[in-house]
Amino acid sequence: AQSVAQPEDQVNVAEGNPLTVKCTYSVSGNPYLFWYVQYPNRGLQFLLKYITGDNLVKGSYGFEAEFNKSQTSFHLKKPSALVSDSALYFCAVRERGGDTGRRALTFGSGTRLQVQP
Amino acid sequence: NAGVTQTPKFRVLKTGQSMTLLCAQDMNHEYMYWYRQDPGMGLRLIHYSVGEGTTAKGEVPDGYNVSRLKKQNFLLGLESAAPSQTSVYFCASSSSGLAGTETQYFGPGTRLLVL
Repeated sequence: AQSVAQPEDQVNVAEGNPLTVKCTYSVSGNPYLFWYVQYPNRGLQFLLKYITGDNLVKGSYGFEAEFNKSQTSFHLKKPSALVSDSALYFCAVRERGGDTGRRALTFGSGTRLQVQP
Repeated sequence: NAGVTQTPKFRVLKTGQSMTLLCAQDMNHEYMYWYRQDPGMGLRLIHYSVGEGTTAKGEVPDGYNVSRLKKQNFLLGLESAAPSQTSVYFCASSSSGLAGTETQYFGPGTRLLVL
């Protein structure tokens, strides 16, 4: 079975400072990893994904994430936070291969990012 | 191009009532999904469909039924609503690209309150 852990319910950071939102995963094989963001009363928006290749993935709005296989982590980062980045962030995993049923994503519980002016 | 749309946006039901949530996508995606979102639990998969006329159970299917009569629509039904089904429901769709790599696109959600 696949699972995702987001160990922090909330992350607080001052505007202009770097931010990190942590994610660790568990799959029996190799993973596909995703980050989504949810603004209040909105659906989830795709930020970035790791499929294969370079461990550093760049995505929308200046976000990036680093895949670390040995630590089974996929932390989301941004060099300089904006107040408008305040939202709920979800990490998700899908195991490679397998039948079509495995196309479904397994989500973490979410981390609320609060960027203070 | 509206992407994924959901109706209604909000609904209040009494215990035992039934209702249908409608999801529509205009991206010609093969795969569609229904998730529920509860506080502190992330999103959990209810049912999914890999093509017109096919559906399958996800992680939390009990109390729900689905139908995919047309490729662009995916319906989620509650036959006899229970307070435990109070949640926010999200529909998503994705293409049938290289297995597992495709991005899921989400609708804006339906907030359901069961009294």
